[in-house]
Amino acid sequence: EVQLLESGGGLVQRGGSLRLSCGASGFIFSGYAMSWVRQSPGKGLEWISGISGSGTSTWHADSVKGRFTMSRDNSKNTLYLQMNSLRAEDTAVYYCAKALRPDGVGARDYWGQGTLVTVSS
Amino acid sequence: QSALTQSASVSGSPGQSITISCTGTSSDIGSHNYVSWYQHHPGKAPKLMIFDVTNRPSGVSNRFSGSKSGNTASLTISGLQAEDEADYYCSSYTSSRRVFGGGTKLTVL
Repeated sequence: EVQLLESGGGLVQRGGSLRLSCGASGFIFSGYAMSWVRQSPGKGLEWISGISGSGTSTWHADSVKGRFTMSRDNSKNTLYLQMNSLRAEDTAVYYCAKALRPDGVGARDYWGQGTLVTVSS
Repeated sequence: QSALTQSASVSGSPGQSITISCTGTSSDIGSHNYVSWYQHHPGKAPKLMIFDVTNRPSGVSNRFSGSKSGNTASLTISGLQAEDEADYYCSSYTSSRRVFGGGTKLTVL
């Protein structure tokens, strides 16, 4: 059974940093691209970052480019999101999601329950 | 502003059918068949309902179906049930990134 479990969320001051983790099990982690998607209060889903299965390629939305870095440790089956220079608008529930296909094209077939990040001003 | 446009809300009675539309551009929905739909109950993990425009993952009811015409994709839910009440999001793939619609809140009356 595929399982994704996010952790690392919490309350942080504006301008601060936080690192989110996503532990994966139930599939060959290194074989699949992964994504981070967030949902701000009262808003819809927003894709923010993606990474290839090997970790050699990453993509970021303009809203987080230069501030957030996505990485993975395939030996630990863990995905990371390093968030720096946090802003109030980064307050959201952050989800990690597994690609349906190894190359990452198309849908995300499994999602975690999410971890809440609150940025205080 | 979301990259894909969805109506904010839709409602229907049990047993009825509803359709949720998702409008993009020739750069996303109109350029390939990587449109997916997600069901999201507040506080829970989003669930993939439709991928590649028309395909259902294993375990998803055949009451859910997807289609596409030009730059607009659609999700149809037939035989509405109370548990279908949720937020629904479309998503498309473009230039190694993906975009979501703003979400449609489905209310089962």
